[in-house]
Amino acid sequence: DTAVSQTPKYLVTQMGNDKSIKCEQNLGHDTMYWYKQDSKKFLKIMFSYNNKELIINETVPNRFSPKSPDKAHLNLHINSLELGDSAVYFCASSQDNRDPPLFGPGTRLTVL
Amino acid sequence: QKEVEQNSGPLSVPEGAIASLNCTYSDRGSQSFFWYRQYSGKSPELIMSIYSNGDKEDGRFTAQLNKASQYVSLLIRDSQPSDSATYLCAVRGGGYNKLIFGAGTRLAVHP
Repeated sequence: DTAVSQTPKYLVTQMGNDKSIKCEQNLGHDTMYWYKQDSKKFLKIMFSYNNKELIINETVPNRFSPKSPDKAHLNLHINSLELGDSAVYFCASSQDNRDPPLFGPGTRLTVL
Repeated sequence: QKEVEQNSGPLSVPEGAIASLNCTYSDRGSQSFFWYRQYSGKSPELIMSIYSNGDKEDGRFTAQLNKASQYVSLLIRDSQPSDSATYLCAVRGGGYNKLIFGAGTRLAVHP
């Protein structure tokens, strides 16, 4: 199946831990994104990469670090997790930074 | 002022009626406008794109854009219970073509 996939689907962890979420797209898209959707369902962009290069870095704590080893992958590492990090994190991709993104299934992160 | 504003709803319409969802945006230089549908517990799914003033129809969906008024809307004709979802308006423009989402309007179609 051609799609955007992310793992894990659910992530439950304690405050202070470090965790990673992986994302892969097999669509040949040049642009990948991380979005955060909070409990009020507001979807906010965190990062955008174009051909492995960071092009958008919103006001996100530097505990969040994206890494793009190649243009098909964009992983998100989070250090020292806090309660407020609990949300659904969506990876997405688009052909370029003008096209609308296609979203992955999301990762529901719960910090206890 | 929020960059993309939507009424959070819920908007409740009877089955078979027309549902009208509205969105306003603040960046006058915005060029691309999208509607996504999100079912509870699922990811957003693109249903309409519109780039120029006027109407664009796709099946039961019509997107309307008025750049002078900075207004974009989505009409759903013959609404079905399966249309019950949150509809997200997204606007692209500004630096790096950033895509900004509204908070979404929850639509409930009742039989």
